[in-house]
Amino acid sequence: NAGVTQTPKFQVLKTGQSMTLQCAQDMNHEYMSWYRQDPGMGLRLIHYSVGAGITDQGEVPNGYNVSRSTTEDFPLRLLSAAPSQTSVYFCASNQGSGTEAFFGQGTRLTVV
Amino acid sequence: GQQLNQSPQSMFIQEGEDVSMNCTSSSIFNTWLWYKQDPGEGPVLLIALYKAGELTSNGRLTAQFGITRKDSFLNISASIPSDVGIYFCAGRFYGGSQGNLIFGKGTKLSVKP
Repeated sequence: NAGVTQTPKFQVLKTGQSMTLQCAQDMNHEYMSWYRQDPGMGLRLIHYSVGAGITDQGEVPNGYNVSRSTTEDFPLRLLSAAPSQTSVYFCASNQGSGTEAFFGQGTRLTVV
Repeated sequence: GQQLNQSPQSMFIQEGEDVSMNCTSSSIFNTWLWYKQDPGEGPVLLIALYKAGELTSNGRLTAQFGITRKDSFLNISASIPSDVGIYFCAGRFYGGSQGNLIFGKGTKLSVKP
């Protein structure tokens, strides 16, 4: 049972570099979300999607782009990495509005 | 934006003790979820609550959806060392965007054997 799969698990970037964090789910969930977790800040929503072709901004969207071309995949793009984007990133999916979210194992990103 | 206030921020307890943590909001929520996060892992759902007043147990864990719909608590009875981790409350407030869960800042639990 794969559930939600995130890659890579660890990444180091230089300031100004771009990269894409991958997220895939095999549960046929309509909703997918990206969160970042920083010490003492809990989980903050970056972007989310309620279905293929539909995305919306969360609490902290600046510096990130998303797209949802398929139900299964929801990549997160960092356009020009900054040290403030050093964080642990979690992708989650859920079946419907307000239902439980299933999380991936996270991507630990360091921007130097 | 909407916020959840989760307390306490951290707890240091002795094995065998009971634990209680809670989340409050100024807004009405129609879903409350409780998650646990182990080091290096993603959060895992412990208990889901969908109705005001609902009281649900999962082994030694018990959670309740407050009658006012603005709060929820999680109790852990007879704690054991593997209860160590960060516990998060999460919820979807009434009128919130579909699929958009808001998380509390977490309660870090440490258990002394």
